[in-house]
Amino acid sequence: SQTIHQWPATLVQPVGSPLSLECTVEGTSNPNLYWYRQAAGRGLQLLFYSVGIGQISSEVPQNLSASRPQDRQFILSSKKLLLSDSGFYLCAWQRQGAQEAFFGQGTRLTVV
Amino acid sequence: AQSVTQPDIHITVSEGASLELRCNYSYGATPYLFWYVQSPGQGLQLLLKYFSGDTLVQGIKGFEAEFKRSQSSFNLRKPSVHWSDAAEYFCAVGARGGSEKLVFGKGTKLTVNP
Repeated sequence: SQTIHQWPATLVQPVGSPLSLECTVEGTSNPNLYWYRQAAGRGLQLLFYSVGIGQISSEVPQNLSASRPQDRQFILSSKKLLLSDSGFYLCAWQRQGAQEAFFGQGTRLTVV
Repeated sequence: AQSVTQPDIHITVSEGASLELRCNYSYGATPYLFWYVQSPGQGLQLLLKYFSGDTLVQGIKGFEAEFKRSQSSFNLRKPSVHWSDAAEYFCAVGARGGSEKLVFGKGTKLTVNP
């Protein structure tokens, strides 16, 4: 069966510090991968998605970037965090050609 | 591009009462439709999905949803709510063909009173 791992679960970082959140998927190959951010009352905002290694699409301009160095690894990064980067970040995977997405447990990021 | 509206931000029901959460979508053709549930501090879990065929779909935890093309709706229902159903519920829509991204509504928070 497929599983998705996302870490860390919680993170408190000072403004201006770098960020690296990691997501890995097991039990499947060549998945679509997604990073969402969830802010209170705003639902899920799609940040990045990837259909293959090195292929990243950005949905909204922002202070974050994403990379996919391996088939089942998706990393969300920032060089300098802003207060507005605080939120709940969710990674998700999807079989290519299918529609339902499966989510990780999320990372609660607080920028102080 | 597709979009989703969940008109109710917060709903409160009593345990044992029936539940209906509303979802309206905008898309030029028949979309793929989903309901997800999120417990506090957790990821999203798929409750049910509609791709084609029977417009009444059954999901996990006793939930069902009905696709109504004429109303562009995909409302989630449960005949008798349990306290453990308290969570946030998200409706999502996917396009047929092309991009496989899912677009989510803003969610409905469900509170269950004893």
